[in-house]
Amino acid sequence: DTEVTQTPKHLVMGMTNKKSLKCEQHMGHRAMYWYKQKAKKPPELMFVYSYEKLSINESVPSRFSPECPNSSLLNLHLHALQPEDSALYLCASTPIGAGLTDTQYFGPGTRLTVL
Amino acid sequence: GESVGLHLPTLSVQEGDNSIINCAYSNSASDYFIWYKQESGKGPQFIIDIRSNMDKRQGQRVTVLLNKTVKHLSLQIAATQPGDSAVYFCAEANVGADGLTFGKGTHLIIQP
Repeated sequence: DTEVTQTPKHLVMGMTNKKSLKCEQHMGHRAMYWYKQKAKKPPELMFVYSYEKLSINESVPSRFSPECPNSSLLNLHLHALQPEDSALYLCASTPIGAGLTDTQYFGPGTRLTVL
Repeated sequence: GESVGLHLPTLSVQEGDNSIINCAYSNSASDYFIWYKQESGKGPQFIIDIRSNMDKRQGQRVTVLLNKTVKHLSLQIAATQPGDSAVYFCAEANVGADGLTFGKGTHLIIQP
């Protein structure tokens, strides 16, 4: 298995809803990332997990809450989002722990729309 | 055809021609660079990478050139095909940092 998978592919939610995005990889990668990408813009880093510990939180609002239950899974819990949070949410993973440069492999993303 | 990734968001080339996409980076401490291809509705797909101790690296139909003196990175795609149509992002990283910093992207359009 040489890919990063993300579910769901599309998500529409209201501002009072609670939802979660899921990311999974079975390549033995030890660093996992969440990025946010607005239309026609590059991906922007949100969170980094290295060896299942949160190592970076790029000043992301608390309505986004990451979780890394194990080395293969990464979740992003969403609560009380705003319409401007609508974007493509990308998960990525790296073979070695974050802080050492190596190729990041991206999932297909979850297209989130907040009404 | 040639484009500066940060200043010319769209590059249009004829099928079969070679294309060059350019990227300027700002962090002189960056020591690892990647080119990604992103098709509509998909996540970024790794194309090729290069470390700062190299100035050129070749893959299948693609070549990345790195000029550290002027902090410039380029992606050359030979004999472009319709499937090459996508947005191309350069990304940089350095040891000790986490995550990648992406350039603004260039939309490559292949004309039949």
